[in-house]
Amino acid sequence: AQSVTQLGSHVSVSEGALVLLRCNYSSSVPPYLFWYVQYPNQGLQLLLKYTSAATLVKGINGFEAEFKKSETSFHLTKPSAHMSDAAEYFCAVTMYNNNDMRFGAGTRLTVKP
Amino acid sequence: NAGVTQTPKFQVLKTGQSMTLQCAQDMNHEYMSWYRQDPGMGLRLIHYSVGAGITDQGEVPNGYNVSRSTTEDFPLRLLSAAPSQTSVYFCASSYYQGVEKLFFGSGTQLSVL
Repeated sequence: AQSVTQLGSHVSVSEGALVLLRCNYSSSVPPYLFWYVQYPNQGLQLLLKYTSAATLVKGINGFEAEFKKSETSFHLTKPSAHMSDAAEYFCAVTMYNNNDMRFGAGTRLTVKP
Repeated sequence: NAGVTQTPKFQVLKTGQSMTLQCAQDMNHEYMSWYRQDPGMGLRLIHYSVGAGITDQGEVPNGYNVSRSTTEDFPLRLLSAAPSQTSVYFCASSYYQGVEKLFFGSGTQLSVL
């Protein structure tokens, strides 16, 4: 089955610094990849998704992710962190015609003033 | 639109008790699913449905039952609650299969004593 691994359960950055959250996937066929964000006491919200079109995907709130097949990675970045970006971020993978979306363990992002 | 509505928000059960977590969506989504979220493990798929009358198991189905009699509703039943089922449960839906954006409910925090 497909799976994702998120490197780093906690990431801390200063306000204005680069945000980099890492995700590596495992899939036997071309995957569909997602990043979701969860704010405290809320459900998950979609940040962006990759579905085999452009490898650089732009999402909401200034986030983007690049699909790199050679590295089996789909890392999430944002050039300049805001305090409002503090949340937990989940990478997820599925495949076409597959109803089983698998999530990573999550990375909690802290933004320091 | 209300989106995906889960009830209750909090529940405490004793070991062996049964209960039903309710999930309703008003977006006419065919695909609905239940996840549990545990610290350090991300979200794990319990059961899913691709339409009324059709359900299937996900990654961690044991101890849970589902049914889908209408497009709108997808209840999750705990048959005999166990402490290992203490978790936060999320219902999610999408227009079609898992490759589409998932819309999440706000979650049910369940404690089994």
